Amino acid sequence: DVKVTQSSRYLVKRTGEKVFLECVQDMDHENMFWYRQDPGLGLRLIYFSYDVKMKEKGDIPEGYSVSREKKERFSLILESASTNQTSMYLCASSFSRTGSYGYTFGSGTRLTVV
Amino acid sequence: QKEVEQDPGPLSVPEGAIVSLNCTYSNSAFQYFMWYRQYSRKGPELLMYTYSSGNKEDGRFTAQVDKSSKYISLFIRDSQPSDSATYLCASFTGGGNKLTFGTGTQLKVEL
Repeated sequence: DVKVTQSSRYLVKRTGEKVFLECVQDMDHENMFWYRQDPGLGLRLIYFSYDVKMKEKGDIPEGYSVSREKKERFSLILESASTNQTSMYLCASSFSRTGSYGYTFGSGTRLTVV
Repeated sequence: QKEVEQDPGPLSVPEGAIVSLNCTYSNSAFQYFMWYRQYSRKGPELLMYTYSSGNKEDGRFTAQVDKSSKYISLFIRDSQPSDSATYLCASFTGGGNKLTFGTGTQLKVEL
C-alpha cells in the first residue's frame, strides 16, 4: 500500500525553538506539498516542491522554510516557532503536477507551540 | 472571498439517509473537482474526482458539478455510521499547480 509517512503524530515545542517536520513518500512522486489545517480556515498551502532541490511558496510561507534533498523526502522547518504556528500539519504528494490524480496525504502532525 | 466555500456543518443524519454535501466556487478557471474524506486524526483521502461539468458515480457516492452555477455536490446514498467524517471539496485549474480546498463539512451518521 502506497504511503506518505510523517515522522511524528504529536509534537510539543517551545516558543523560539527550531522545529523540523519530516515527510517521506514511497510512491516515487515528484510533487510534494505541505499544508496546515486549522478550524474554520481549512487547508492552507505553505510550500510545495516539483523536484529535488526545488521549492515554491504557497499561500502562507511566512515563518516556514522547506528542504528537499531527496525525491522521497520533504521537510518543513519552522525557523523560530511561535504560538500562532500551533496547528495540524499535513504533507501530501502527487503523481501529476496538476494534481489530476489527486493528492495522497500523510496522517498529519499535530504541533503545539507553548 | 474564499475561492471555494463550504458549509462547515456539523450535519447530522440518521443511518440510511441520503446526504447532500455542497460547495460553491468563484474561480471560473477551475476545471477539476475533487472530494476528500477525512476521518478524525487522519489525513484526507481522495474519494471522488471529476473533470468539468457532469456526474460521476462510484458505489453509494455521486459527485456532481454544475459549472454554470459554480456548484459542486456530493451525494451519499444509504449513509452508514462509517461515513461519519469531514468532507472537503477541492478544485484546481487545468494549468494550475495546486489544489484549493474548501474548509470541510463535518458529517455524522447516527444509528
